[in-house]
Amino acid sequence: AQSVTQLGSHVSVSEGALVLLRCNYSSSVPPYLFWYVQYPNQGLQLLLKYTTGATLVKGINGFEAEFKKSETSFHLTKPSAHMSDAAEYFCAVSEGSTNAGKSTFGDGTTLTVKP
Amino acid sequence: DAGVIQSPRHEVTEMGQEVTLRCKPISGHNSLFWYRQTMMRGLELLIYFNNNVPIDDSGMPEDRFSAKMPNASFSTLKIQPSEPRDSAVYFCASSPGLAGADTQYFGPGTRLTVL
Repeated sequence: AQSVTQLGSHVSVSEGALVLLRCNYSSSVPPYLFWYVQYPNQGLQLLLKYTTGATLVKGINGFEAEFKKSETSFHLTKPSAHMSDAAEYFCAVSEGSTNAGKSTFGDGTTLTVKP
Repeated sequence: DAGVIQSPRHEVTEMGQEVTLRCKPISGHNSLFWYRQTMMRGLELLIYFNNNVPIDDSGMPEDRFSAKMPNASFSTLKIQPSEPRDSAVYFCASSPGLAGADTQYFGPGTRLTVL
């Protein structure tokens, strides 16, 4: 069975500081991994995803994540936080054919950016 | 494309009343998902369809909840009778298919309040 653990339900950084949101997954087969962002009063939207190939994945708004199989991790980073990055971030895993595309979402991490 | 469309955006009803939430997926997408989001339980998958056929409804909380997808461009989630504990934001999402790498595209959600 697949599962996702997001370490830290709340993360606070200063504007311009490094953003690091942690995600660890469990999967019985090679996973597909996603980061979604949810701004207030909106639905989730895709930031980036890992399918196959290069383990460092670049997404929108300057975010990137690295798939580390040995650590079963897919942490999200951004070198310099902007006020507009304040949102809730969800990590998700999908096993593809074994679960017919059903994604399992983490509990979310709320990012606060201080001026 | 207009994205996933949900209606209504807000619904306030009294306990015992029937509630119907509506969703129009992105044209050409074959899969549709219904989620519920609350502070206590996070994001929960209720049911999903592929080619208008329900694939997995194990997340539907009880018999008061039902979902239909009569055609490729429309789905409903019905709660009858509604209870205060059903208060949540309900999201509909669609994806091209059920491949593990497929991104889910979320609608803006329906905020349901049951008094």
